[in-house]
Amino acid sequence: DAGVTQSPTHLIKTRGQQVTLRCSPISGHKSVSWYQQVLGQGPQFIFQYYEKEERGRGNFPDRFSARQFPNYSSELNVNALLLGDSALYLCASSSVHTYTENTEAFFGQGTRLTVV
Amino acid sequence: AQKITQTQPGMFVQEKEAVTLDCTYDTSDPSYGLFWYKQPSSGEMIFLIYQGSYDQQNATEGRYSLNFQKARKSANLVISASQLGDSAMYFCAMRLRGQGNKLVFGAGTILRVKS
Repeated sequence: DAGVTQSPTHLIKTRGQQVTLRCSPISGHKSVSWYQQVLGQGPQFIFQYYEKEERGRGNFPDRFSARQFPNYSSELNVNALLLGDSALYLCASSSVHTYTENTEAFFGQGTRLTVV
Repeated sequence: AQKITQTQPGMFVQEKEAVTLDCTYDTSDPSYGLFWYKQPSSGEMIFLIYQGSYDQQNATEGRYSLNFQKARKSANLVISASQLGDSAMYFCAMRLRGQGNKLVFGAGTILRVKS
C-alpha cells in the first residue's frame, strides 16, 4: 500500500501570493492532520480533519484554511503569504479521529515551501 | 498547557554504542501517549516507539527502548548498538485525551553517529 503522499514536494512563492498544498492519506485512513515545521523547530499542529469535518485547529491565523474531500484527501491553503510561512508542511494520516492508545500517525515527506 | 522539552540540541555517539536522548513533558492530564519520531534529511517523520501513560512496563521496539519515569515526567529514548543510518533528527511528542490526533512536539535532538 502507498504511504501518505504530498504534493508538490517543493515550491517557491512570492509574498502576498496564495498556495495550495495537497495530501493523500493511507488507504482506509479517514483522519488527516497538518503540521508546520519551521527550520530548526519541531512540527506545530495546524488542523485535523476527519470525515470531512474540522476536528481541531492550532494557533494559526485565518490565512490558513483546509478542507477534506470525500475520498479523504486534503488540501491546505495559505493566503497572503508572509516570509515567516516558509517551512516544511507535513501531513499525517490516522485510522481514528481521537485519542486512543498506541494509534500512531503516519507522516508524508512534506512540502517544502519557500516564500521570497 | 502541555509541553515537551528536549534539552539536547545535538548528540554524538560512536557506532555500535548506546545513546540516550532526553525528553521531559508537562501535562496535568493523567491520560496521555508519548511518541518518538525520527526525521532524516528527507523530511518524513518515522514512528519509532510509543508509551502510554498507564503502561506498567517500558516500551521496546527492536533497538529502541523508552525509559519511562512517570513521577519525573520523563520519557527518554535509548538506542542500542547505534548504526550510521541512525543519524537524523529525533523528536519526542505527546498526545492527550480529548484533543483528537493532535501531537505536541519537542524541539528535537540531532544525533550524529560516528564510525
